[in-house]
Amino acid sequence: SQTIHQWPATLVQPVGSPLSLECTVEGTSNPNLYWYRQAAGRGLQLLFYSVGIGQISSEVPQNLSASRPQDRQFILSSKKLLLSDSGFYLCACDQRYSPLHFGNGTRLTVT
Amino acid sequence: DQQVKQNSPSLSVQEGRISILNCDYTNSMFDYFLWYKKYPAEGPTFLISISSIKDKNEDGRFTVFLNKSAKHLSLHIVPSQPGDSAVYFCAAKSSGTYKYIFGTGTRLKVLA
Repeated sequence: SQTIHQWPATLVQPVGSPLSLECTVEGTSNPNLYWYRQAAGRGLQLLFYSVGIGQISSEVPQNLSASRPQDRQFILSSKKLLLSDSGFYLCACDQRYSPLHFGNGTRLTVT
Repeated sequence: DQQVKQNSPSLSVQEGRISILNCDYTNSMFDYFLWYKKYPAEGPTFLISISSIKDKNEDGRFTVFLNKSAKHLSLHIVPSQPGDSAVYFCAAKSSGTYKYIFGTGTRLKVLA
């Protein structure tokens, strides 16, 4: 079964600073990859998904972007963080006939 | 527009009793439903799923029931254990799409 690595586990960044969160997947090939965010007291909001290298679909217009430079690598970025970008960011993957599985997440606090 | 709703933010149950978590959806195109368990500061863990061709799926202590006419699903945990205390999310998806839509979660507390 696949393993999803996310780092860092926690991050504190000032407003206006850039962001790069990385996710890599082991144990599978050609997965669908996802970035979700959980804001405090809220559900899981889909931010981006990717069905292949270089293919990114954005679900919510915002201050973030995503890239998939390799089959099992998914990166979430921002050029300038806002206070509202604080939250718990989760990388996930699935394949046909298998459910969505999540990494352990990154807690981002923008100060 | 919340397509997947978990109307109970919290639930407390005595150890050994049944826990019933509920989820409602509005989109009739959803045909695949999942339940996840989440501990603080961790990613959600997949528990059990059901496709719309079934009305029940069982895995050990966990059973998911689907009522398509009511657009309602529920997760039963029997018997409940203190280690089941966590936030539970339901999710739904339409085949042919990549979007999993999640509810806002129900915090379950199992009392010893």
